[in-house]
Amino acid sequence: KAGVTQTPRYLIKTRGQQVTLSCSPISGHRSVSWYQQTPGQGLQFLFEYFSETQRNKGNFPGRFSGRQFSNSRSEMNVSTLELGDSALYLCASSSKDTQYFGPGTRLTVL
Amino acid sequence: GESVGLHLPTLSVQEGDNSIINCAYSNSASDYFIWYKQESGKGPQFIIDIRSNMDKRQGQRVTVLLNKTVKHLSLQIAATQPGDSAVYFCAEHTGGGNKLTFGTGTQLKVEL
Repeated sequence: KAGVTQTPRYLIKTRGQQVTLSCSPISGHRSVSWYQQTPGQGLQFLFEYFSETQRNKGNFPGRFSGRQFSNSRSEMNVSTLELGDSALYLCASSSKDTQYFGPGTRLTVL
Repeated sequence: GESVGLHLPTLSVQEGDNSIINCAYSNSASDYFIWYKQESGKGPQFIIDIRSNMDKRQGQRVTVLLNKTVKHLSLQIAATQPGDSAVYFCAEHTGGGNKLTFGTGTQLKVEL
């Protein structure tokens, strides 16, 4: 089976812009979770989608949003980008308990 | 200015030795624990997991031990190889859904 794929792999934006990241889960996996990884805060949970519904949400501001499509692919959006949003954004998919991560999207905000 | 990051503890071992990576978790209600390995430029890779009703689980060259009394988790890697060099994270699962809470990570360096 193909693993979790994320696009784009690298992205450079400026403050105030918005960005959309995409995640394609492993075939058959219905749950997709998003995490932010920074040197200062480590790996932090953003949100989880299951069957097109948000099932869990972390402690991030409303500028961070996501959605899931009927084919389980997911997107996350960050509006009004801040310098502190620079991070590696990781997507993970799961069928039961185990979460399998993609390679991440490296977002740099200038 | 200079950014301040999390201080990652580092474990240096000789090739062929056994490695033990420790993790203290926070929630006594956590029901499931996972160890991940993250190499530079890659996403976390699943290594092994353990449920809270177990105290030990073995995989290929790896063993996870769970001590719920002191909320401690450890990962033992036998005959450590250069390819084991990476950052290792423990993660705990609590409640419904798939939300994981990650530890800060340990940098494992394998010396030849």
